[in-house]
Amino acid sequence: DVKVTQSSRYLVKRTGEKVFLECVQDMDHENMFWYRQDPGLGLRLIYFSYDVKMKEKGDIPEGYSVSREKKERFSLILESASTNQTSMYLCASSPRVKDYGYTFGSGTRLTVV
Amino acid sequence: EDQVTQSPEALRLQEGESSSLNCSYTVSGLRGLFWYRQDPGKGPEFLFTLYSAGEEKEKERLKATLTKKESFLHITAPKPEDSATYLCAVPRPRISGSARQLTFGSGTQLTVLP
Repeated sequence: DVKVTQSSRYLVKRTGEKVFLECVQDMDHENMFWYRQDPGLGLRLIYFSYDVKMKEKGDIPEGYSVSREKKERFSLILESASTNQTSMYLCASSPRVKDYGYTFGSGTRLTVV
Repeated sequence: EDQVTQSPEALRLQEGESSSLNCSYTVSGLRGLFWYRQDPGKGPEFLFTLYSAGEEKEKERLKATLTKKESFLHITAPKPEDSATYLCAVPRPRISGSARQLTFGSGTQLTVLP
């Protein structure tokens, strides 16, 4: 019954590495989102997409980029990982018609050393 | 800028001890308020949507209420399985053609002791 799947639960990467976080949804949702979650800071929006190949910056896009080549897949890219990007990354999707109905994945805990 | 503040940050209850979590917000025009539950190591799970002051929604031991400036999540006779972080969120104004963005509070971590 998995609906939003994030490719990795845990990742450890070195400073300066290029990191890819993958998210796939099987609900045919138009909207997809990437958040990071840090203690005391809550969920902060990094990037989102409302259609294939369309992307918009969220509140904290610096150091990140995204790719959406297919409707079901939304990738988050850390161009050159830094220790301050150590965090829990959450992907979510929602349908255009009921676009507040976010469905979240289980998250990827990324540690940059 | 929309702001969402949740209190308390953490709450410990004995099983059966009822209490309430608070979510206060400052928005330019309320377009709804959403409650989510998040278990450790998992993504948030949707609980309720409230749209207008005075509205109430219930699910098992949880009841969410909404006023013009805040929302409460009342937990009646909680059980250990209710232990989780509870998040509230408000939608931002949507730019035509784009996706609805949510602004989340930092959450209340609830622990229910047996």
